[in-house]
Amino acid sequence: AQSVTQLDSQVPVFEEAPVELRCNYSSSVSVYLFWYVQYPNQGLQLLLKYLSGSTLVKGINGFEAEFNKSQTSFHLRKPSVHISDTAEYFCAVSQGGGSEKLVFGKGTKLTVNP
Amino acid sequence: SQTIHQWPATLVQPVGSPLSLECTVEGTSNPNLYWYRQAAGRGLQLLFYSVGIGQISSEVPQNLSASRPQDRQFILSSKKLLLSDSGFYLCAWSVRTSSYNEQFFGPGTRLTVL
Repeated sequence: AQSVTQLDSQVPVFEEAPVELRCNYSSSVSVYLFWYVQYPNQGLQLLLKYLSGSTLVKGINGFEAEFNKSQTSFHLRKPSVHISDTAEYFCAVSQGGGSEKLVFGKGTKLTVNP
Repeated sequence: SQTIHQWPATLVQPVGSPLSLECTVEGTSNPNLYWYRQAAGRGLQLLFYSVGIGQISSEVPQNLSASRPQDRQFILSSKKLLLSDSGFYLCAWSVRTSSYNEQFFGPGTRLTVL
């Protein structure tokens, strides 16, 4: 069975600092990987996705993530964060091949302080 | 373009009362549909998903039920609410024929059971 581990439940950073949100997954087959962002009292919004090809994926709002198959990781990064990046971030994996479900991590709460 | 609606946006209900939350999708046909719940500190929990009219899969045993009376309508119900049913309920859809199951989320319903 697939699983997703987000190693940090909360990450506080200062504005303009770099940030990395960690995500590891377990799966015995090829996977598709996603990062979603959730602002307070809103639904989830797709930040970026890895389907195939280049392992470095660029998303919205200046975020990027790198797929590392050998380490089964898909860490999310941003070189300089803004106050408006304060939100909860979810990593998710889909096995594909007609699987109907995404498996989500428990989320990482990013707080950007002035 | 596709849009997903949920209502109501917020709801306060007494323990033991019934519940009906509605989700509708526009701009697509034959979607997969999903109900998730976020309770404080518990991440994103998949409750039900549906791959077609009248086809409901339950992920977690509980006093909630789901129905799909029309292709783009998904309803979450309860006959008698419990305090533990409080949370943020999210509806999502994905393209049924897609191999990677990217999901698109609605704005959510905040349910408080008193």
